[in-house]
Amino acid sequence: GNSVTQMEGPVTLSEEAFLTINCTYTATGYPSLFWYVQYPGEGLQLLLKATKADDKGSNKGFEATYRKETTSFHLEKGSVQVSDSAVYFCALRTGNQFYFGTGTSLTVIP
Amino acid sequence: EAEVAQSPRYKITEKSQAVAFWCDPISGHATLYWYRQILGQGPELLVQFQDESVVDDSQLPKDRFSAERLKGVDSTLKIQPAELGDSAMYLCASSRADTQYFGPGTRLTVL
Repeated sequence: GNSVTQMEGPVTLSEEAFLTINCTYTATGYPSLFWYVQYPGEGLQLLLKATKADDKGSNKGFEATYRKETTSFHLEKGSVQVSDSAVYFCALRTGNQFYFGTGTSLTVIP
Repeated sequence: EAEVAQSPRYKITEKSQAVAFWCDPISGHATLYWYRQILGQGPELLVQFQDESVVDDSQLPKDRFSAERLKGVDSTLKIQPAELGDSAMYLCASSRADTQYFGPGTRLTVL
């Protein structure tokens, strides 16, 4: 079946630290991969996406590379800010269906 | 930039009452999704529409939940009667091509 596994949180980092949130997936075929961010009390916002192997999605300093050989799509940012504090969801799309991970909560302290 | 609209943003109701949520997707998006998100968890699909047709409602508790998208544009999700365990965020999303866009959600509290 199709599924997404994210590293469990919560993750707490100091401002300007390096961030990695791990995401691995299981899917039939060739899925598209996504990272969404959710701020408290709000809906999910698309952060970045990649549609084929070796693609790199990037936005607002965040990056993730579609690694087919390791079935991974890890989220990285070189220097986090307090405003990056949120919950991050990894997701995949296959056919017309989406599958979400359980989310990783990130808190960045000044 | 076009957005998915949802209303109300917050709803408090007593158990056994009926509640309804409304969603207006981004114009031109044929696929519409309703998700339920329990605090601390990821979204769980309740129902998926392609235009006005339901393509997946396998996780929708049909004894109390119903959803419609009569003209293939906006959609309504109803719960009757509401139960304490229905307290959650209800998210609507729409998609065209391979990307899904979410609305702000409706936070439901059942007392």
